[in-house]
Amino acid sequence: DTGVSQDPRHKITKRGQNVTFRCDPISEHNRLYWYRQTLGQGPEFLTYFQNEAQLEKSRLLSDRFSAERPKGSFSTLEIQRTEQGDSAMYLCASGNQETQYFGPGTRLLVL
Amino acid sequence: GENVEQHPSTLSVQEGDSAVIKCTYSDSASNYFPWYKQELGKGPQLIIDIRSNVGEKKDQRIAVTLNKTAKHFSLHITETQPEDSAVYFCAAETGGFKTIFGAGTRLFVKA
Repeated sequence: DTGVSQDPRHKITKRGQNVTFRCDPISEHNRLYWYRQTLGQGPEFLTYFQNEAQLEKSRLLSDRFSAERPKGSFSTLEIQRTEQGDSAMYLCASGNQETQYFGPGTRLLVL
Repeated sequence: GENVEQHPSTLSVQEGDSAVIKCTYSDSASNYFPWYKQELGKGPQLIIDIRSNVGEKKDQRIAVTLNKTAKHFSLHITETQPEDSAVYFCAAETGGFKTIFGAGTRLFVKA
């Protein structure tokens, strides 16, 4: 257990529905990252926060995806109008320098 | 764009033997190279990392080597044990936040 928690751990939804995931980083960490991981692949970078500021977004993050980190603490990742291609593991990581500590992930299945 | 290639995709060794996983990266500005172990249903766990000003680092049975000129880095696990069986990911970080992961190596250690 790295100290990074994610909720929920599993989510099944129907195509077209909206979903929201939460990440609670290690409390003293100012950096927070979101990744997407599909079966048999490494994590793919989605977005990065330094405290409450979202400093970078991947081209993978379409306009259906939005992430927030109010007050520089927990973060949420919302996917609107889900598609079957959104099915994946969504990982959150936190850190203070280069080292990133990952949470257990939220596995999303879109039917 | 930036890329990290990882080989082999699958590796099977006998308990007690050594395992070597190799990665190459494309972005010469990369300066931090972590290795992660991921077990089924869990997030990646950092096992060792190396920075660009160091050529080799060792931690008990695990060692990592870096050749910046050739843009190669490798993970070496000695005296493998069944509990080392997992998927291992290499990664390269540029600019302090953007981390590119390899596709992973599934390691099987046979008892």
